[in-house]
Amino acid sequence: DTGVSQNPRHKITKRGQNVTFRCDPISEHNRLYWYRQTLGQGPEFLTYFQNEAQLEKSRLLSDRFSAERPKGSFSTLEIQRTEQGDSAMYLCASSQDYDEQYFGPGTRLTVT
Amino acid sequence: KNQVEQSPQSLIILEGKNCTLQCNYTVSPFSNLRWYKQDTGRGPVSLTIMTFSENTKSNGRYTATLDADTKQSSLHITASQLSDSASYICVVSADGGATNKLIFGTGTLLAVQP
Repeated sequence: DTGVSQNPRHKITKRGQNVTFRCDPISEHNRLYWYRQTLGQGPEFLTYFQNEAQLEKSRLLSDRFSAERPKGSFSTLEIQRTEQGDSAMYLCASSQDYDEQYFGPGTRLTVT
Repeated sequence: KNQVEQSPQSLIILEGKNCTLQCNYTVSPFSNLRWYKQDTGRGPVSLTIMTFSENTKSNGRYTATLDADTKQSSLHITASQLSDSASYICVVSADGGATNKLIFGTGTLLAVQP
């Protein structure tokens, strides 16, 4: 399968714990995006990378959130000290420059 | 503020019927408009993409229209099938430059019943 993959698909954690999600983009894509989607809403932009450089971060990305793409391939999104409001679907997408973004299946986070 | 609004919020139709979903946007500068289909628990999948100069684009039973003057778009689904049940999201690219950031609508939840 050459599409965008995300792991895990589901994560349940207790409030205050740290969680980390992984995204593997389409291999030849140089851009990688993270979005958050809450129930009944469209995805909201969090951040994006061009190769290994993180070029933009949304105001939604609080200090508890950090994203990396160390070798310009896969990316990780870490949430520290999770809160119930962090419960959402976290979507990753990749593209080649300004071309179409292809989305992964998402990681659904539930904070209890 | 860049916004994308969709209507209706939800829709129930019988299998085989047609339906039309609406999208209004206030996004500037406009780069392109896309319609995505999102099955429950999955990531969005692109159906159509239209630039400023295009006013209609088809993909099988899906036909999208764009009126850049009124900033409106529609997605028409013909001869609906049960597998069309999903959320349909209108997405506008706010900037064709460095960010290529997408502004998502909240979606129309379509249920096709037998």
